[in-house]
Amino acid sequence: NAGVTQTPKFQVLKTGQSMTLQCAQDMNHEYMSWYRQDPGMGLRLIHYSVGAGITDQGEVPNGYNVSRSTTEDFPLRLLSAAPSQTSVYFCASTRGQGEKLFFGSGTQLSVL
Amino acid sequence: KNQVEQSPQSLIILEGKNCTLQCNYTVSPFSNLRWYKQDTGRGPVSLTIMTFSENTKSNGRYTATLDADTKQSSLHITASQLSDSASYICVVSGNNRLAFGKGNQVVVIP
Repeated sequence: NAGVTQTPKFQVLKTGQSMTLQCAQDMNHEYMSWYRQDPGMGLRLIHYSVGAGITDQGEVPNGYNVSRSTTEDFPLRLLSAAPSQTSVYFCASTRGQGEKLFFGSGTQLSVL
Repeated sequence: KNQVEQSPQSLIILEGKNCTLQCNYTVSPFSNLRWYKQDTGRGPVSLTIMTFSENTKSNGRYTATLDADTKQSSLHITASQLSDSASYICVVSGNNRLAFGKGNQVVVIP
């Protein structure tokens, strides 16, 4: 039982490049979400999904895209990377609203 | 204004000593409050959950309290160990949302 798996662990991009952060969970959780964590800012919600085929915006969605074609996978796409997107990104899953969050190990992204 | 405020922002304690972290929130209606521990370079891991009817709950050397009337919670670490060095994040659930505190950064030194 791997829990929540995120790849890659580290990534460096140039401004304007696009990429996809991968997230997969094996706990059959309906709820999945993406957060970014910046120094002094805490965790901020980017996008979330309450089930396959259903996604919605969080607090800071601009510049990011998501899709949820299966229960297991919830990739995060950066459309055109900007230096302001330099951050640590966490994917999380949970059984439902208010339930315990299970986080991945994070992706440290630098945009030059 | 952030709905969850944590204090102190950071602290350094000697190994073996106790410390208390504070979390004040304004989330309403309130569903539950969780404390997460985040080790450097890792994702947060849940330590404990507090619901409206619970005042105190322990998880090993960690004891959480909740005062729903004053909307305050604390996390007490007893006999700290080097492995307690981490960020402790308070997360409050309510109104179909999660509100995150910015964390208490704890450094335990020998």
